[in-house]
Amino acid sequence: DAKTTQPPSMDCAEGRAANLPCNHSTISGNEYVYWYRQIHSQGPQYIIHGLKNNETNEMASLIITEDRKSSTLILPHATLRDTAVYYCIVGTDSWGKLQFGAGTQVVVTP
Amino acid sequence: NAGVTQTPKFQVLKTGQSMTLQCAQDMNHNSMYWYRQDPGMGLRLIYYSASEGTTDKGEVPNGYNVSRLNKREFSLRLESAAPSQTSVYFCASWGWAGSYEQYFGPGTRLTVT
Repeated sequence: DAKTTQPPSMDCAEGRAANLPCNHSTISGNEYVYWYRQIHSQGPQYIIHGLKNNETNEMASLIITEDRKSSTLILPHATLRDTAVYYCIVGTDSWGKLQFGAGTQVVVTP
Repeated sequence: NAGVTQTPKFQVLKTGQSMTLQCAQDMNHNSMYWYRQDPGMGLRLIYYSASEGTTDKGEVPNGYNVSRLNKREFSLRLESAAPSQTSVYFCASWGWAGSYEQYFGPGTRLTVT
């Protein structure tokens, strides 16, 4: 059974922030939230991950709720190249086994 | 750094034929993985190797075998291909790059007729 729930699709206007939600109500205390994206059938690309604190890197920000049952990936200024399937994954840092769901298809429009 | 490389990029097999998908990484990572991705679906783990000399089954191992040849190379073998194995196959490695993240190869697109 999938550990995360994401909307199947969402649209975003170029230049605007894209906010991608993810529910993970059964997350365990030692599990991280990972975000990956897959552009047009290429290999998935790591974006960001976090345990309980909010995280930011050059690609995105990750906001995790205090109860850790949900999170939001924020792409601050979406570009056309951000059109991709975004996967929210819950897992531990050991071994790196990731369980991918269906993800959210994000389409950035001009 | 080439990262994770896979060969071949495309392959067409007839039912019952065998083949080996090759994967290599040059990042000195201990762990390597094979996933498959069917159209419109997320990736599913076939096999993984936590370290050189060890392999373990993932979510969908039936019909596949793997070999961790050395730290760099992890191959996936289809002994008797079936149409249900038509898919895109991704190899990945896991390691430290400021934080632990998984690096994926470009994929092998396999069609079994």
